[in-house]
Amino acid sequence: SQQGEEDPQALSIQEGENATMNCSYKTSINNLQWYRQNSGRGLVHLILIRSNEREKHSGRLRVTLDTSKKSSSLLITASRAADTASYFCATDAQGAQKLVFGQGTRLTINP
Amino acid sequence: DAGITQSPRYKITETGRQVTLMCHQTWSHSYMFWYRQDLGHGLRLIYYSAAADITDKGEVPDGYVVSRSKTENFPLTLESATRSQTSVYFCASSVQANQPQHFGDGTRLSIL
Repeated sequence: SQQGEEDPQALSIQEGENATMNCSYKTSINNLQWYRQNSGRGLVHLILIRSNEREKHSGRLRVTLDTSKKSSSLLITASRAADTASYFCATDAQGAQKLVFGQGTRLTINP
Repeated sequence: DAGITQSPRYKITETGRQVTLMCHQTWSHSYMFWYRQDLGHGLRLIYYSAAADITDKGEVPDGYVVSRSKTENFPLTLESATRSQTSVYFCASSVQANQPQHFGDGTRLSIL
C-alpha cells in the first residue's frame, strides 16, 4: 500500500501562477522528500524536510510539513513552462530502509 | 562523469525469455534500489541493497532476481519474462536509506 498520496492527481495552471500540491501519509516518519520527474526521465530530488521542521524553502519552492495531520504541501511560486512535470512525495517509515513514493501530481504550465 | 547509468534504455523481448537490466553508479553509494513505474501504480520498489552482497525484497519482488557483487553495480534479472512485467524500470542510489535518491533515466521494457 502507498505511504504517500498526492493531491490533486493533475493540475493545470497559467505561467506565472502559483502551484500547490499536497501529500498525505500514514505512519510516523523521519523525513519527507519531494521529487520531480520530467517526461521520459528519472526522478530528480528537490527538497527534504525533516519531521522536526515545519517549513523549508529552496528558490521558488516552499515545502510545509504538518506531522499532526500527516501531510505536506509543495508550493511552486511564479511557475514557468519548464516546471511542467510530475511531482512525487516520498516518505521513510521510521525504521524502514527505504522510501515509499506516492503516485504523483502531474503539473502542466500553460504559456 | 559521476552519475547513475542504466542500460539498455529500451528493450523488447518475448515471454519466457531471461532479460537483465543493468545499473551502474559512480558515487560509491551504499544503497541501491530498483523500481518499476506503471500508470495507476506510481513507483513501486522491487528490490534494494544496503551494501555489496546485501539485498532485500521490496513491495513487488516476485519474478525478479538481483545481485550486488560490487558496490557500483546492481543488475536486475527477469528470469522468465511475463507480459505483466512490461514497465519502465528505474534504478536509484543513495548514501543512506532515507536520504535523497539519485535516479537513472530508466529502461523501458516491453514483453510481447
